[in-house]
Amino acid sequence: QKEVEQNSGPLSVPEGAIASLNCTYSDRVSQSFFWYRQYSGKSPELIMSIYSNGDKEDGRFTAQLNKASQYVSLLIRDSQPSDSATYLCAVRIQGAQKLVFGQGTRLTINP
Amino acid sequence: DTEVTQTPKHLVMGMTNKKSLKCEQHMGHRAMYWYKQKAKKPPELMFVYSYEKLSINESVPSRFSPECPNSSLLNLHLHALQPEDSALYLCASSRRTGDNEKLFFGSGTQLSVL
Repeated sequence: QKEVEQNSGPLSVPEGAIASLNCTYSDRVSQSFFWYRQYSGKSPELIMSIYSNGDKEDGRFTAQLNKASQYVSLLIRDSQPSDSATYLCAVRIQGAQKLVFGQGTRLTINP
Repeated sequence: DTEVTQTPKHLVMGMTNKKSLKCEQHMGHRAMYWYKQKAKKPPELMFVYSYEKLSINESVPSRFSPECPNSSLLNLHLHALQPEDSALYLCASSRRTGDNEKLFFGSGTQLSVL
């Protein structure tokens, strides 16, 4: 089983709708969780971090964490064409000094 | 300023060449990382430096040699690379290597090995 799993997509969402991206992880003692956005040919950009169970909102983005289910998600409200990118879920393994990435979900917002 | 600067942005090298990738940050971060990313794949960790000391080497071939001259600089020396080493090389930094620390990436060096 991979440490961090994401549906690779592509996920197509109409403009103005909510895009929902999901991620599961296998290490029960993982402490911190991150979502990165990566445009084609560019480097990953940190958009959200979440450390405790529940929801965390930042503008149009909401991260949700459920440690019991080992599940983290990212919601993008009022999706815009500029949100079209690959979204990488990343998990910091406790004590391991490193960030482990999922395969990424390619999101396309259709005008 | 949350900027990690990498040079060069693009590099083409032959298999017998020696080249170096450079990374710089002035955020006072004490952890620095090298990642390798192939097309349509996630970044893969290569090395971690913590307080200028190498703390993780993910079994990277010796043709890649990292160096951390001071707390702001990180180099990756390349020698006798193979065409399969062509990839986007990403430098990143964080305040420390602690569990809640956020990683910030540079813009990367796109490397082509001929």
